[in-house]
Amino acid sequence: DTAVSQTPKYLVTQMGNDKSIKCEQNLGHDTMYWYKQDSKKFLKIMFSYNNKELIINETVPNRFSPKSPDKAHLNLHINSLELGDSAVYFCASSRSEGGLQETQYFGPGTRLLVL
Amino acid sequence: ILNVEQSPQSLHVQEGDSTNFTCSFPSSNFYALHWYRWETAKSPEALFVMTLNGDEKKKGRISATLNTKEGYSYLYIKGSQPEDSATYLCALDTGRRALTFGSGTRLQVQP
Repeated sequence: DTAVSQTPKYLVTQMGNDKSIKCEQNLGHDTMYWYKQDSKKFLKIMFSYNNKELIINETVPNRFSPKSPDKAHLNLHINSLELGDSAVYFCASSRSEGGLQETQYFGPGTRLLVL
Repeated sequence: ILNVEQSPQSLHVQEGDSTNFTCSFPSSNFYALHWYRWETAKSPEALFVMTLNGDEKKKGRISATLNTKEGYSYLYIKGSQPEDSATYLCALDTGRRALTFGSGTRLQVQP
């Protein structure tokens, strides 16, 4: 069973469109994250949610809106897609009980290409 | 801007060689350090989470050490195998649980 899953794996779309990426974890974790792999291949934090509440919101354009319908899901909606949004987006999850020793488990990534 | 630096950027070794790489970070920002192994087209796989100065962790042929006072961690692989070929990432947690990643060390093990 996949612990952290993302759909779709690949997304090719036109500039200006609105799209969503879904993330689900079956690990019973209460914290979920979105990371973006930038053009230099660094993984950078975008958002994190704990128990469905937003706790980290980095400097991300407000065209990006995360939504957490429950603790097992964190979706990423992107409005008015731009060429620069092309990247690989990774979802991750962790428990919060162990504090900072808790491992973050990553999904397989969603490769977004905006044409 | 928080800088997590990894060196070398890439490494080619022969099967059976032992190797090590470095992760450097600002010691004043330290709460926890994570090491991940990342194969192309797969999810980053957690190796270690380290929090204590002087900590040493081991998983099979892979081990890691941590020096929080001087701001570095070493990852060692003993007797490298072709299946160890991957990018090894370190990531710093400054207390927010959001990880700041280095750019990784790409390891290629030749049979």
